Amino acid sequence: DIVMTQSPDSLTVSLGERATINCKSSQSVLYSSNNKNSLAWYQQKPGQPPKLLIYWASTRESGVPDRFSGSGSGTDFTLTISSLQAEDVAVYYCHQYYTTPNTFGQGTKLEIK
Amino acid sequence: QVQLVQSGAEVKKPGASVKVSCKASGYTFTFYYIHWVRQAPGQGLEWMGVINPSSGRTDYAQKFQARVTMTRDTSTSTVYMDLSSLRSEDTAVYYCARLLTTEGHFLGYWGQGTLVTVSS
Repeated sequence: DIVMTQSPDSLTVSLGERATINCKSSQSVLYSSNNKNSLAWYQQKPGQPPKLLIYWASTRESGVPDRFSGSGSGTDFTLTISSLQAEDVAVYYCHQYYTTPNTFGQGTKLEIK
Repeated sequence: QVQLVQSGAEVKKPGASVKVSCKASGYTFTFYYIHWVRQAPGQGLEWMGVINPSSGRTDYAQKFQARVTMTRDTSTSTVYMDLSSLRSEDTAVYYCARLLTTEGHFLGYWGQGTLVTVSS
């Protein structure tokens, strides 16, 4: 199974500042047929299902604010929130869909300083 | 609009089985795979498996292979997740989720979740 490891486990950032969450996969998730990385990011708020933010490592889902961006390739990926807003407080998960079993990172809890 | 509506909360005794339903609407049911993901209280997301609603073909996480069955009913656009031999560690919210597009298995639509509590 591909192991997804996020860092840090928790993060405290001031409003308006940048937040960076990392995700490392135990093997490459680069899909050779389309040269895209099979990596997604989700945001989950308490009592709600996860919400898709980013797929193919860097494609923002429709309606997601442009302060959210994804980057990386191969085994190392980053979710960046350029200017933290109060509504961004949540737990963030990376997800590899390169192969089954799909796997998720353990989550990163983002809070306001 | 795409909707996935799951069945209500369940309380089960250890050793029992539970069947959670996920009724899809707003799109052609057979076009998109549906995944099942669970989340124990205060914990992260755990992938359980996936079903192709067109063929009924499934792919399960090895951890659940012996205990889980995913099925679909195309006449009602509903997928089901049956988990047997329940133990306390199976207490979790169970989500069904649909692919955003047919391009890849990123999960763009989620059900509201079904809390399954296993307790004697």
